[in-house]
Amino acid sequence: GQNIDQPTEMTATEGAIVQINCTYQTSGFNGLFWYQQHAGEAPTFLSYNVLDGLEEKGRFSSFLSRSKGYSYLLLKELQMKDSASYLCAAMDSNYQLIWGAGTKLIIKP
Amino acid sequence: DTAVSQTPKYLVTQMGNDKSIKCEQNLGHDTMYWYKQDSKKFLKIMFSYNNKELIINETVPNRFSPKSPDKAHLNLHINSLELGDSAVYFCASSRGGTELSGNTIYFGEGSWLTVV
Repeated sequence: GQNIDQPTEMTATEGAIVQINCTYQTSGFNGLFWYQQHAGEAPTFLSYNVLDGLEEKGRFSSFLSRSKGYSYLLLKELQMKDSASYLCAAMDSNYQLIWGAGTKLIIKP
Repeated sequence: DTAVSQTPKYLVTQMGNDKSIKCEQNLGHDTMYWYKQDSKKFLKIMFSYNNKELIINETVPNRFSPKSPDKAHLNLHINSLELGDSAVYFCASSRGGTELSGNTIYFGEGSWLTVV
């Protein structure tokens, strides 16, 4: 079956770096998305990877290894506003998104 | 202007009632979706429409009926509401098609449905 695994919760300190991992199993693969969702709000798009390697976008970077079915989201210089859930989603061969349950990131001062 | 807007944002209703959630997108996208996010925070797709045509209909009770009067609107009507229908319902849109770079999904703000 199709499955996305990511940690349920992580805690980090303001100003630090945190890496949120995601492993996926899908029928075919057409890319990996990361979304940010603040409590009580809609998910917002962060990144899209379809080729192996690291994509950097400001304080956020996303990495993909297709052979390992693995991705991570790297957040640098953490700010309190980064406290949110981070959703990993893989697109299967039918271009449908398979969503993980999200990783709740708690930032402490 | 809000790209994907849905109303109402909050809805509390009694079991057995019929309710609708409306959704509109002004992004010019061809594909619209309804997702349900339950208490475990999984986003589960319910329906997907491309140019007003239904292309995804997951295993959803037939009490849920989507309606797309045009490609900018996708409304969700729910009959005979049950306690288990309590969840957050997100409308979303994307350019659709098979262009990988165009498949970013943009979400509405969510509609919090509570059935009592």
